[in-house]
Formats: sequence, structure tokens, C-alpha cells
Amino acid sequence: DGGITQSPKYLFRKEGQNVTLSCEQNLNHDAMYWYRQDPGQGLRLIYYSQIVNDFQKGDIAEGYSVSREKKESFPLTVTSAQKNPTAFYLCASTPRGKSIKVGNQPQHFGDGTRLSIL
Amino acid sequence: AQSVTQPDIHITVSEGASLELRCNYSYGATPYLFWYVQSPGQGLQLLLKYFSGDTLVQGIKGFEAEFKRSQSSFNLRKPSVHWSDAAEYFCAVVDQTGANNLFFGTGTRLTVIP
Repeated sequence: DGGITQSPKYLFRKEGQNVTLSCEQNLNHDAMYWYRQDPGQGLRLIYYSQIVNDFQKGDIAEGYSVSREKKESFPLTVTSAQKNPTAFYLCASTPRGKSIKVGNQPQHFGDGTRLSIL
Repeated sequence: AQSVTQPDIHITVSEGASLELRCNYSYGATPYLFWYVQSPGQGLQLLLKYFSGDTLVQGIKGFEAEFKRSQSSFNLRKPSVHWSDAAEYFCAVVDQTGANNLFFGTGTRLTVIP
């Protein structure tokens, strides 16, 4: 079955350490997204990519970095510059990309990675 | 700018009772709207979507939502709630200015009493 795989499910970070969250999709989707979820704040967009080798900052990109070297992969690095990284991180994808103007394709979500600070 | 408001942070209903979760959006043109459900520790699952046409939209798990342009609302309803419906529900609107990203509401947590 096609879907989005996020790993690991739980991740711990030490102070001053960078960690990378994996997101892989086999849906052949063009666009991929990273969201951060905190209690009572819903989902906030960190980064998104509409096509390979291209990505844009979302609303809360500071302290994060991404890459999109392959269509199926969109890893997120939480850097030491992110002072409050404890959160639930969700990856999503959608068929639409730059070539599809109308944004009526729903996003498909992975099961998330919970990041905590040691 | 687009935005979504879910005024109810937490709702408690008895099993078998009807349910309505509120969602208000802010968008100048015809919005593209979604309702998602999230079980604890899981990702989001799409319940239903509205793009155009019939303002009453049917979704999975017996849910429906009605788009009311005059009230800028897209409320989610279910006539009879099951214990398995306990979860968090998110309303979202598409940013149609070019990026086609989603703006999410802050969510409504549903508790179902046996």
C-alpha cells in the first residue's frame, strides 16, 4: 500500500545536538510538507517543497532545515538553533506541485515523530 | 489572509448523541475546505472536503459538513456519535494565493462518554 513513512516514531535530542527526522512517501506525490504540532496550537507549517531540489520556508522555519534531493524523500533537520524543539512533527504530501495550479488535492499525512529533549 | 477558527477547544458528548463541531474561515473567494481527524499519537486522516457545488458534503465514518458562505462556516456534524469517534478534529483551508498550503484551526478535542 502507498503511504507516508516517518521515522523514528520517538526521538530524543541532547542540548546542542542536531537531529534529522525522516519522511518517505511512495505515493509519487510532487509536494511535501513538514508541520509542527504543539498542544492547543494546531499545526504550523515549517517548510514545504513543491518539486525536487526546491523548497520554501513556512511560518516557523527558524531553527530548521530541509532538503529535497529525491521526489520520495523530504528529511527535516532540527538544529541546535531551535530552542524549543519538543513537539510532535508531521510530514504530509500531496499530488499537486508547481504544475498544478488548483490547490484542491488533500494532503496525506504520516504518523508523526515525537521529539523530546533530554 | 486566510485563517480558520475553531471556537471549541474541547467538547464532550454521550455515545449515541448528535455532534456538531464548529469551523469559521476567513477567505475572500470560494474557499477549499477540509476536515481532518487525529487519534492520539497518530497522523491526520481526511474526513471530507469542499471545493464547490453541493454545500452539504458527505465524508467517511458517517460525518458530513455544511458550507455556509453567508456565515463563513463549515461545521462538521454526525447524527450519532460512537465511542471510537473520540479524537481531535481539525478544520483547514487552502491558501490559494499560489503556495496551495493548508491553514489549520487549533483543533477541537472530542470526548465521548459511554
